[in-house]
Amino acid sequence: DTGVSQDPRHKITKRGQNVTFRCDPISEHNRLYWYRQTLGQGPEFLTYFQNEAQLEKSRLLSDRFSAERPKGSFSTLEIQRTEQGDSAMYLCASSLGPAKNTEAFFGQGTRLTVV
Amino acid sequence: GQQVMQIPQYQHVQEGEDFTTYCNSSTTLSNIQWYKQRPGGHPVFLIQLVKSGEVKKQKRLTFQFGEAKKNSSLHITATQTTDVGTYFCATGANNLFFGTGTRLTVIP
Repeated sequence: DTGVSQDPRHKITKRGQNVTFRCDPISEHNRLYWYRQTLGQGPEFLTYFQNEAQLEKSRLLSDRFSAERPKGSFSTLEIQRTEQGDSAMYLCASSLGPAKNTEAFFGQGTRLTVV
Repeated sequence: GQQVMQIPQYQHVQEGEDFTTYCNSSTTLSNIQWYKQRPGGHPVFLIQLVKSGEVKKQKRLTFQFGEAKKNSSLHITATQTTDVGTYFCATGANNLFFGTGTRLTVIP
């Protein structure tokens, strides 16, 4: 297994457009997390899945953001009507679960620039 | 979600000097994880602590979990240029919340 992969690595979009990012976790990992990170800040929690169930969503996540993990494998994060403030690195991570938190493996991230 | 604060925000050290970053919470934590993020890279897991007063070592790195499970520290002995990066603590019973990080610069 090559680890967590994210696609695309970079995305430039015009304000108001919709974007979708994909994350392929490590195959045997049940948990999948999405984070947003801006320059000089720590990863900000967005949401996480246990298999296909979305168990928690940050209060900071507006209704323009939606995430899915339809078959409990890969996940997508969609941002509708993008705004300049959405520009950030979007990180995906996966880990074994659910009994207790274990090591989270991060992907390389998708860098979004909204112009 | 649980919040953890890290201090200092930045630290510049001369190569060979020691470095410590602290992670603090106002509530009891179920666990603490530590990650390192190199410039331009993604966070990479270093270690997890779960027991009160736990101490773990990885070569020049020493990790501690406070007796009250409200704070943790990461200490690097004799820093090297390869230690450069941002060190994050993270915690959570089910999800995983990250601290603000300490950015370490090592001057050769």
